[in-house]
Amino acid sequence: DGGITQSPKYLFRKEGQNVTLSCEQNLNHDAMYWYRQDPGQGLRLIYYSQIVNDFQKGDIAEGYSVSREKKESFPLTVTSAQKNPTAFYLCASTPPRDRGSNTGELFFGEGSRLTVL
Amino acid sequence: GENVEQHPSTLSVQEGDSAVIKCTYSDSASNYFPWYKQELGKRPQLIIDIRSNVGEKKDQRIAVTLNKTAKHFSLHITETQPEDSAVYFCAANRRRALTFGSGTRLQVQP
Repeated sequence: DGGITQSPKYLFRKEGQNVTLSCEQNLNHDAMYWYRQDPGQGLRLIYYSQIVNDFQKGDIAEGYSVSREKKESFPLTVTSAQKNPTAFYLCASTPPRDRGSNTGELFFGEGSRLTVL
Repeated sequence: GENVEQHPSTLSVQEGDSAVIKCTYSDSASNYFPWYKQELGKRPQLIIDIRSNVGEKKDQRIAVTLNKTAKHFSLHITETQPEDSAVYFCAANRRRALTFGSGTRLQVQP
């Protein structure tokens, strides 16, 4: 069954701790993304990666880090430097681009809800 | 960078009425404009999208219109049903990612 798997679904963290959210896809998609969702603010882009071993900062990258060592995996680390990490985190991927098109449909995982205690 | 504004933030309609959600964007290079629906506790899912080479696209009860000159696009839902109740997000592409609007919570009253 193809798709995007995020884990854990719920995570609690103490202040000052780093935490890593997992995102795995078996869709053979090249591009992967991390978004943060807060109430009333929509989805904000944290990081994205077009190919293995390459990634770019999004609009709110401060306090986060990522890696892309494998095509299937794009983990997100929420570091202690992130001032307000409590949020719902969504991972997504897109299939290869059509010629002349830079962006296609995003396929989302089910999300990870992080709460800082 | 790209900025996407979405209005209204909440919308309540009676079953069978139409609903319209509007978005504006700032980057004239944007050429892809999708709409996502997110039901409570679920992941966002694409419901319709439009590219800059067309002005309107329709799929059954939903349609999207695009005015590139004015940099705005709209989602139209006709004959609304209770199952249309959800949060709707517009988006526009920037570089190789999507920038989303802040969302519209649509409530369809039976």
